[in-house]
Amino acid sequence: AQTVTQSQPEMSVQEAETVTLSCTYDTSESDYYLFWYKQPPSRQMILVIRQEAYKQQNATENRFSVNFQKAAKSFSLKISDSQLGDAAMYFCAYALLLMNRDDKIIFGKGTRLHILP
Amino acid sequence: DTGVSQDPRHKITKRGQNVTFRCDPISEHNRLYWYRQTLGQGPEFLTYFQNEAQLEKSRLLSDRFSAERPKGSFSTLEIQRTEQGDSAMYLCASSLSPSRAETETQYFGPGTRLLVL
Repeated sequence: AQTVTQSQPEMSVQEAETVTLSCTYDTSESDYYLFWYKQPPSRQMILVIRQEAYKQQNATENRFSVNFQKAAKSFSLKISDSQLGDAAMYFCAYALLLMNRDDKIIFGKGTRLHILP
Repeated sequence: DTGVSQDPRHKITKRGQNVTFRCDPISEHNRLYWYRQTLGQGPEFLTYFQNEAQLEKSRLLSDRFSAERPKGSFSTLEIQRTEQGDSAMYLCASSLSPSRAETETQYFGPGTRLLVL
């Protein structure tokens, strides 16, 4: 069964600094998606960034980038120039490329990120 | 642009009562998902619909839970004879999938927070 592990329950970073959130996953599949979702306090979950496993190039969205290591099954999120608005719970998630009967998005337990002014 | 909406946002009920939640997806999205999120955990998949067809149900979805999407637009999730263990955030998400097989990014609603006393 596929699993997603986020080993850092909480992290803190100084405003304007860079922080990296870790995520590892386990799967025997070769075609899948990986996601980072952000859930601010009392607000809805939004997609931060998405990576297709067949793409070797790491995805980037403005200040957010990933380090995707397929062989190591690692998918870390780097936030550059951290801002107060980045404070949230961050979830790493996995989904197969093709939906099938046993398919769903699997989320990690999350990492709570604090931004220190 | 209206994103995914959910109603109500909060629900307090007594054990044994029935509750019903509603989700309105993004209008052109053909897939709709329900998740449950407990404190300190990532969302856990419950069920999903492709248009009006319910294609997958998690083992987490006991017989007391039922979901419908009668016209392929909004969806309802009903919990009968609620138990204290049902207390959680219930999240709805939707996606536009060009074919039955492909996975696409899910967009989440704000959730319905249920407290069973």
